[in-house]
Amino acid sequence: AQSVTQLDSQVPVFEEAPVELRCNYSSSVSVYLFWYVQYPNQGLQLLLKYLSGSTLVKGINGFEAEFNKSQTSFHLRKPSVHISDTAEYFCAVSDASGGSNYKLTFGKGTLLTVNP
Amino acid sequence: NAGVTQTPKFQVLKTGQSMTLQCAQDMNHEYMSWYRQDPGMGLRLIHYSVGAGITDQGEVPNGYNVSRSTTEDFPLRLLSAAPSQTSVYFCASSYGGPGLAGYEQYFGPGTRLTVT
Repeated sequence: AQSVTQLDSQVPVFEEAPVELRCNYSSSVSVYLFWYVQYPNQGLQLLLKYLSGSTLVKGINGFEAEFNKSQTSFHLRKPSVHISDTAEYFCAVSDASGGSNYKLTFGKGTLLTVNP
Repeated sequence: NAGVTQTPKFQVLKTGQSMTLQCAQDMNHEYMSWYRQDPGMGLRLIHYSVGAGITDQGEVPNGYNVSRSTTEDFPLRLLSAAPSQTSVYFCASSYGGPGLAGYEQYFGPGTRLTVT
């Protein structure tokens, strides 16, 4: 079984500032890692994913994340945020060892609020 | 290509009533899942399906039934609604294989359910 911990439930930042949303996971098997974004009253949209290969993953809207296997982390970063980035962000993992990669385990979410 | 669609968008039920949340996808995905989202809890897996005729329980299956008679449709049934089932419900589908879209789950817009 896997678990995901998002270390901050809320992150307020000013526009054009950098931001890092932290995600740690626990798993006894290899994992796939995902970040999803949820804008108010909408469904979830994939920002980026790590399946294999380069540990630095670039996604949509200028976001990137780095997979760190030794620290079991997958932190999300953006060098300069916009008001429109205000949303809830979810980190998720699935089992990469085969057979159940379609089942996602989510963290509890981080609400990013970008202030002018 | 509509992706994943869910109906209804909103629903209010009285305790003890039953209803079915509809989910359909037009991407020919094998895997489909139902999640519920509660404040501060992230998304939790209710039931999932790996193909027509095959379903299994997720993390929080009690009080819900599913069936999958076609690849496209995956309805979620509430047998006897309880206030604890007040939540936002998301349906998702995935290809589950290698490639650019590998292992990514596509989410519907959600159904907001209130049980009084």
